[in-house]
Amino acid sequence: GAVVSQHPSRVICKSGTSVKIECRSLDFQATTMFWYRQFPKQSLMLMATSNEGSKATYEQGVEKDKFLINHASLTLSTLTVTSAHPEDSSFYICSADRGQGYNEQFFGPGTRLTVL
Amino acid sequence: GNSVTQMEGPVTLSEEAFLTINCTYTATGYPSLFWYVQYPGEGLQLLLKATKADDKGSNKGFEATYRKETTSFHLEKGSVQVSDSAVYFCALSNFGNEKLTFGTGTRLTIIP
Repeated sequence: GAVVSQHPSRVICKSGTSVKIECRSLDFQATTMFWYRQFPKQSLMLMATSNEGSKATYEQGVEKDKFLINHASLTLSTLTVTSAHPEDSSFYICSADRGQGYNEQFFGPGTRLTVL
Repeated sequence: GNSVTQMEGPVTLSEEAFLTINCTYTATGYPSLFWYVQYPGEGLQLLLKATKADDKGSNKGFEATYRKETTSFHLEKGSVQVSDSAVYFCALSNFGNEKLTFGTGTRLTIIP
């Protein structure tokens, strides 16, 4: 099956630092990847859509300068949380669209970010 | 815009009980409907899906039927097991647009 990995699985950082999260599709190419944020006991909120070779499309209310997304290859997208603050602490999940008419996203295991 | 309304949890059932988790939606056009499951400490996995009205998605004993007339996609299982304990998310996406809209999730706990 299609596998998506995320790295790191957990990260703790100090307020004001930047954190990079990687999302990789391991056995398929993904022209589109999605980044979600999940608050405790809440649903997933789509943050942005990442397209290989082009700028990401951000959802309303998501600060593009704070959450930098780079989709440098067909198997890798990165999310960088810049100048992180405690309110950015959350569970970040990526997914990859297999395309080719599958109409299905494959999700990574998520990254728990804690900002002190 | 699109929205998904899911029954609130948590839901606690005894093993072998019948399960229903309600899901209704609002969307333009003819969306595809999904149920995802998130086991403790893991990412979301697609449980089942339906792409058009009256389709029935099924997997691992779970079923859901795409009801356009009632805009619903309720999840059912005839006899739950302890291993079914997880959080279940109902979701939709519009044809040709892969963005998913999720419900709030329902935490299911099955006790032996």
